[in-house]
Amino acid sequence: DAGVTQSPTHLIKTRGQQVTLRCSPKSGHDTVSWYQQALGQGPQFIFQYYEEEERQRGNFPDRFSGHQFPNYSSELNVNALLLGDSALYLCASSLWGLNQPQHFGDGTRLSIL
Amino acid sequence: GQQVMQIPQYQHVQEGEDFTTYCNSSTTLSNIQWYKQRPGGHPVFLIQLVKSGEVKKQKRLTFQFGEAKKNSSLHITATQTTDVGTYFCAAPSRLTGNQFYFGTGTSLTVIP
Repeated sequence: DAGVTQSPTHLIKTRGQQVTLRCSPKSGHDTVSWYQQALGQGPQFIFQYYEEEERQRGNFPDRFSGHQFPNYSSELNVNALLLGDSALYLCASSLWGLNQPQHFGDGTRLSIL
Repeated sequence: GQQVMQIPQYQHVQEGEDFTTYCNSSTTLSNIQWYKQRPGGHPVFLIQLVKSGEVKKQKRLTFQFGEAKKNSSLHITATQTTDVGTYFCAAPSRLTGNQFYFGTGTSLTVIP
């Protein structure tokens, strides 16, 4: 039973570029949430997808966008990268509904030069 | 925005000593979750507390939810080197129960 898988594990980009991160949820899960975790901080909620629609959004600019596919996998896109976007990007899957435990992937470490 | 505060930010203990981290909110919470993140790893769900005054135990870990449902604590008895990591509490949004706000975390170092 595969857990949450994310790709790539590491990525280096330069300012102004665009990036796409990918996530496959744990088997049986239908909801995917994305988080940004800066060094020494707790994960910050970016947005959540269910039934291929963005359901909730945190305090992140429109440069951050996403998508969910019919197989429940998801992508996070970030345009016009800034130095401050350097962080660990975590994908978490769960069942849809209130107060569900979240299962995290290993994350993608994004470095902006 | 909604926040949960955690203290302390860092804690160094000798192996065998106890450890406690506290999570506080200015608003009443419907529930609270606790996660552990090992160095270089990802957060792993530990437990969820829902009821006022609830206490749950997992081996050497004891989790409590305050009577007013505004605070919570995680206590580890007789720490071991395997307990090393950062412990986060996470609380759901008041507006949408499936969006979680994570605390700043408490980083635990256990000295052998």
